[in-house]
Amino acid sequence: DADVTQTPRNRITKTGKRIMLECSQTKGHDRMYWYRQDPGLGLRLIYYSFDVKDINKGEISDGYSVSRQAQAKFSLSLESAIPNQTALYFCATSDPTDRSYQETQYFGPGTRLLVL
Amino acid sequence: EDQVTQSPEALRLQEGESSSLNCSYTVSGLRGLFWYRQDPGKGPEFLFTLYSAGEEKEKERLKATLTKKESFLHITAPKPEDSATYLCAVQAGSNDYKLSFGAGTTVTVRA
Repeated sequence: DADVTQTPRNRITKTGKRIMLECSQTKGHDRMYWYRQDPGLGLRLIYYSFDVKDINKGEISDGYSVSRQAQAKFSLSLESAIPNQTALYFCATSDPTDRSYQETQYFGPGTRLLVL
Repeated sequence: EDQVTQSPEALRLQEGESSSLNCSYTVSGLRGLFWYRQDPGKGPEFLFTLYSAGEEKEKERLKATLTKKESFLHITAPKPEDSATYLCAVQAGSNDYKLSFGAGTTVTVRA
């Protein structure tokens, strides 16, 4: 089984709708991240969480919110979806105690979101 | 602000034709430079971490090198299964979590 899973894998929604993307991990990592990927651009950080009670905004958090339900679960919500939020969304995890890998981030398979 | 520029954007190779991908970076105190491979419809897959200038790492047909301003990913005698987008990311010394990504280089290897 995959260490980092995301649901749904594909989603089509309409402008103004609320949508939630979910991420679960079995790696036992404390740190979790949400990124979006757009063609021609690098991955950009939306939100990150160092533990259940520590949630922080990334570089492009406007229009998004998150919830860290447990160490293993981190959800991303679009409160009122708009077309320019059409993108690939990735969840990632890392282990701050794993110094041998210098905080390597491990990614899920992604969610492809289309907002009409 | 950390900046990462990858070139070329796309690279088409014949099977067996070796080549290199470039990742130029500007960062305040490099903590680590990461290479990932991304296949269509999938998430980035970790390949290497490089920490200091002069360091090299290898994995099968891939070899990553690092200088103070750039990193190269050398693909030796590529095969069609090496076709993917290769992403470079840097982590600044002041942030032990934030990765700044380049846009990637899409490599296509023809049989």
